[in-house]
Amino acid sequence: DTAVSQTPKYLVTQMGNDKSIKCEQNLGHDTMYWYKQDSKKFLKIMFSYNNKELIINETVPNRFSPKSPDKAHLNLHINSLELGDSAVYFCASSQRQDATEAFFGQGTRLTVV
Amino acid sequence: AQSVTQLGSHVSVSEGALVLLRCNYSSSVPPYLFWYVQYPNQGLQLLLKYTSAATLVKGINGFEAEFKKSETSFHLTKPSAHMSDAAEYFCAVSETGYQKVTFGIGTKLQVIP
Repeated sequence: DTAVSQTPKYLVTQMGNDKSIKCEQNLGHDTMYWYKQDSKKFLKIMFSYNNKELIINETVPNRFSPKSPDKAHLNLHINSLELGDSAVYFCASSQRQDATEAFFGQGTRLTVV
Repeated sequence: AQSVTQLGSHVSVSEGALVLLRCNYSSSVPPYLFWYVQYPNQGLQLLLKYTSAATLVKGINGFEAEFKKSETSFHLTKPSAHMSDAAEYFCAVSETGYQKVTFGIGTKLQVIP
């Protein structure tokens, strides 16, 4: 059983399009995250939700909107995609807010052309 | 503010040789420290974590790390490198009470036969 699963694994789209990435965790965790890993492998947190409530919202363009329908899901919607949005996006979850251990999904490689 | 510095973006070792990956941190409070491994096209996997218990932390796959407060370091070691250890390794820090985990830029480990 996959603990943290993301779909799709690969996403190629044109500039200006709107796309969504889905994430689900079956670990019963309360906290979920979205991270962005750029081409230089730099990994940076974007958002964090705890029990469907937004906790962390880093300096991310408002074209990025996370949505948590329940605590097992955290989806990422991106409007008006730009070339600079190309990256690998990782979903993660942890049992508590202190992030002592986060479990990561396999990532979604987004390519904007 | 918390930060992490990983010295050496690329490290090459011979199979059977000692692995040493360096990590220095900055934190205004006692930190949680982590090492994660990322295999090609995979998500991050937790190797080990320090949470203010024993300063020498043992992780999976024979890795261990020692927390040295005086040096603000958390270097990762393994006595004998195996070909399967070739991957990207990320050091990360989280300040007590905060969710946000800050990652280093990663160190790519190459194991030479």
